[in-house]
Amino acid sequence: KAGVTQTPRYLIKTRGQQVTLSCSPISGHRSVSWYQQTPGQGLQFLFEYFSETQRNKGNFPGRFSGRQFSNSRSEMNVSTLELGDSALYLCATRGGGRFLGVNTEAFFGQGTRLTVV
Amino acid sequence: DAKTTQPNSMESNEEEPVHLPCNHSTISGTDYIHWYRQLPSQGPEYVIHGLTSNVNNRMASLAIAEDRKSSTLILHRATLRDAAVYYCILRGMIYNQGGKLIFGQGTELSVKP
Repeated sequence: KAGVTQTPRYLIKTRGQQVTLSCSPISGHRSVSWYQQTPGQGLQFLFEYFSETQRNKGNFPGRFSGRQFSNSRSEMNVSTLELGDSALYLCATRGGGRFLGVNTEAFFGQGTRLTVV
Repeated sequence: DAKTTQPNSMESNEEEPVHLPCNHSTISGTDYIHWYRQLPSQGPEYVIHGLTSNVNNRMASLAIAEDRKSSTLILHRATLRDAAVYYCILRGMIYNQGGKLIFGQGTELSVKP
């Protein structure tokens, strides 16, 4: 079956601009989580969506937002980009129900490499 | 959130077994122990998980201490393709935790030919 697809793979933006990243989950997966990976901070959780509702949020400023559509595809948006937002943005999807997820594996996409100049 | 402690780096020779340790002394009774790895230029991938008993799959084995305060990921015969950062993560039976994974710094495994 098809894996998690993230688009675009690479992106270069200018400070102050905004950006939208997309994640298409594995068919049947309703949970989509987003992570930011930088050399200094490692992998950090941004937020999770389940059945179009955000149910978990990490410690990031409000410039980072997301949404999930009825087909479980998710987008994340970063407004007013800063140089420090340069990172690899990963999404992970998971099957299972709202409560059973702790015993299931997450499937990650290959990420979107965002460079802010 | 319960934390894990792993060595920053380890080295192995190709075709030899590798034991990657993880300490999680504050683990709760319902926390699962998950392992993921991240190959260069890729997203993390699931390796294995367990609760109390040792677990085996086609990729690796997971040995869990009797008191559950530590665990060891075992790669039976390391290959060059196993060079990656390995993350040990605890996932608890908390309703709102859902898909959230808390990554530590992980162990960077290098494999020498």
